[in-house]
Amino acid sequence: KAGVTQTPRYLIKTRGQQVTLSCSPISGHRSVSWYQQTPGQGLQFLFEYFSETQRNKGNFPGRFSGRQFSNSRSEMNVSTLELGDSALYLCASSWGLATGELFFGEGSRLTVL
Amino acid sequence: SQQGEEDPQALSIQEGENATMNCSYKTSINNLQWYRQNSGRGLVHLILIRSNEREKHSGRLRVTLDTSKKSSSLLITASRAADTASYFCATNEDSGAGSYQLTFGKGTKLSVIP
Repeated sequence: KAGVTQTPRYLIKTRGQQVTLSCSPISGHRSVSWYQQTPGQGLQFLFEYFSETQRNKGNFPGRFSGRQFSNSRSEMNVSTLELGDSALYLCASSWGLATGELFFGEGSRLTVL
Repeated sequence: SQQGEEDPQALSIQEGENATMNCSYKTSINNLQWYRQNSGRGLVHLILIRSNEREKHSGRLRVTLDTSKKSSSLLITASRAADTASYFCATNEDSGAGSYQLTFGKGTKLSVIP
């Protein structure tokens, strides 16, 4: 069974640009969660989608958005990038609601210059 | 917001020794989970313990949960160099209106010296 796939793995952007990250969950999983990981703040919850509906949203500005498609694949978008958005963005999937075991992808490492 | 807080922040031991990491949290929980992360990689789920359980084992891992003290510990016995990683506890937190999210601590960085 294929694991959680995140693309791209690495990317470099400049301030003011926007970025879209993609996550393909494990087949059959309906929940996708996104986390931002930085050395200073650790793992911060961004949002969770379940059956195409956003269930939860963390404490991030509106520049951070996401969506989930009918095949459970998810994308997150960050607009008007700031230097502080440089981070490892992790996607995790689970069969049910994201309060049980999560299966993580390898992450997308974003560097904002 | 950080719900779980791991202690110590860093731990260095010799191969073959046991490693103990602790996690404290603030609110009531349904379950507590431990994850491992190798440098710059994704997290791997290790073990989940429910609020009505006190101890759980999985291979060389032993997790305890004390809900009265709002704390948990992860014990890795007979450590190996391959256990070198960061370990995170995660708790589910009510984000409002009965909606739960999994919240991670800042982790314990374990180094196992061969």
